[in-house]
Amino acid sequence: QKEVEQNSGPLSVPEGAIASLNCTYSDRGSQSFFWYRQYSGKSPELIMSIYSNGDKEDGRFTAQLNKASQYVSLLIRDSQPSDSATYLCAVKDNFNKFYFGSGTKLNVKP
Amino acid sequence: DTGVSQDPRHKITKRGQNVTFRCDPISEHNRLYWYRQTLGQGPEFLTYFQNEAQLEKSRLLSDRFSAERPKGSFSTLEIQRTEQGDSAMYLCASSFQLAGPYNEQFFGPGTRLTVL
Repeated sequence: QKEVEQNSGPLSVPEGAIASLNCTYSDRGSQSFFWYRQYSGKSPELIMSIYSNGDKEDGRFTAQLNKASQYVSLLIRDSQPSDSATYLCAVKDNFNKFYFGSGTKLNVKP
Repeated sequence: DTGVSQDPRHKITKRGQNVTFRCDPISEHNRLYWYRQTLGQGPEFLTYFQNEAQLEKSRLLSDRFSAERPKGSFSTLEIQRTEQGDSAMYLCASSFQLAGPYNEQFFGPGTRLTVL
């Protein structure tokens, strides 16, 4: 069974700080990695995708990938209360199936 | 582009009844996925289609669940003889398959099922 592991949190950060979310995965052959944001009672919203080792930046968000360590992370700079949500890490395997972690709940305190 | 849509958004049913959910993907997307999500968990893969072909079905899915995508456009998910354990959010997602690993997937708003 391919697994995606995330710390469930909650992760609490003050407004304006950097939030760091982490994810590890078991399938070494995976090539595609995604971060979704999910507000309570809503469906997941794609915020970042990353396919190559290194960093990918999009606005206040930076995704980091290290395939050798099977590790993906998401940094949120200048965290805002509106960033408070559950962040899901997803991994696509070579058979086009997506595996999701259970999510990390982020609380940004004003 | 209106994104992925799902209908109904909420469904309350009695144990033993059949329910059917509909998903309309983003128009140019050839892949369509169904997931189930319960409280505190990430989405759990149920099945997926490429065009009208159902390519994989989760082994966790009992025979009470069936899905179709008859013309490669919208899809339906049917649950027969519902049980209380079927209560969950049912999510549909679609993507356009490109060469290589690039395959961003976008979710619909979900259908929340409550089985009494």
